[in-house]
Amino acid sequence: EAGVTQSPTHLIKTRGQQVTLRCSPISGHTSVYWYQQALGLGLQFLLWYDEGEERNRGNFPPRFSGRQFPNYSSELNVNALELEDSALYLCASSLGRLANTGELFFGEGSRLTVL
Amino acid sequence: KQEVTQIPAALSVPEGENLVLNCSFTDSAIYNLQWFRQDPGKGLTSLLLIQSSQREQTSGRLNASLDKSSGRSTLYIAASQPGDSATYLCAVKWNAGNMLTFGGGTRLMVKP
Repeated sequence: EAGVTQSPTHLIKTRGQQVTLRCSPISGHTSVYWYQQALGLGLQFLLWYDEGEERNRGNFPPRFSGRQFPNYSSELNVNALELEDSALYLCASSLGRLANTGELFFGEGSRLTVL
Repeated sequence: KQEVTQIPAALSVPEGENLVLNCSFTDSAIYNLQWFRQDPGKGLTSLLLIQSSQREQTSGRLNASLDKSSGRSTLYIAASQPGDSATYLCAVKWNAGNMLTFGGGTRLMVKP
């Protein structure tokens, strides 16, 4: 069974550009989470989607946004890129918010470099 | 504020040693606690999940314990191997909210 898949694996952008990152959850999972892991910093929670709706949002500016599609895949969009947006962006999935275990499974991440 | 702390930040041990990684959290009202492994530049691999009603979980050479009252969890690695070298992260899901809050991780190096 396929795990959480993310694309692209690596990308380079320049300041002011926009980027879209994609995530496909494990089959049967309806919750998708996005985390940012900047160099030297811990994992910071960005967004949580469940059943197509944004359920929670971390302390990030509005230029970080996303959506979840009917097939539960998700996109993370970052507008007006800044140098400090350079990071590994990790997507995770889990059974829905009403499930019991709450175990999260992570993808391999998308490495974004902003020049 | 709900926080997760891992000490030490880095640890180096000779191959074959048994070792303990520590994780502490500020609020005992947790839903579950998860231990992950991260290799450099890679994603996170789930190692063990402990529900709030459980005291410990075991998988192979790994054993994780949970003490909610003291706000602590430990990950015990038996007979460490060079392949265990990685960063180990603990993460807490509290009863309120569905996302994980991560500790800063412990970077483990096991020397042959």
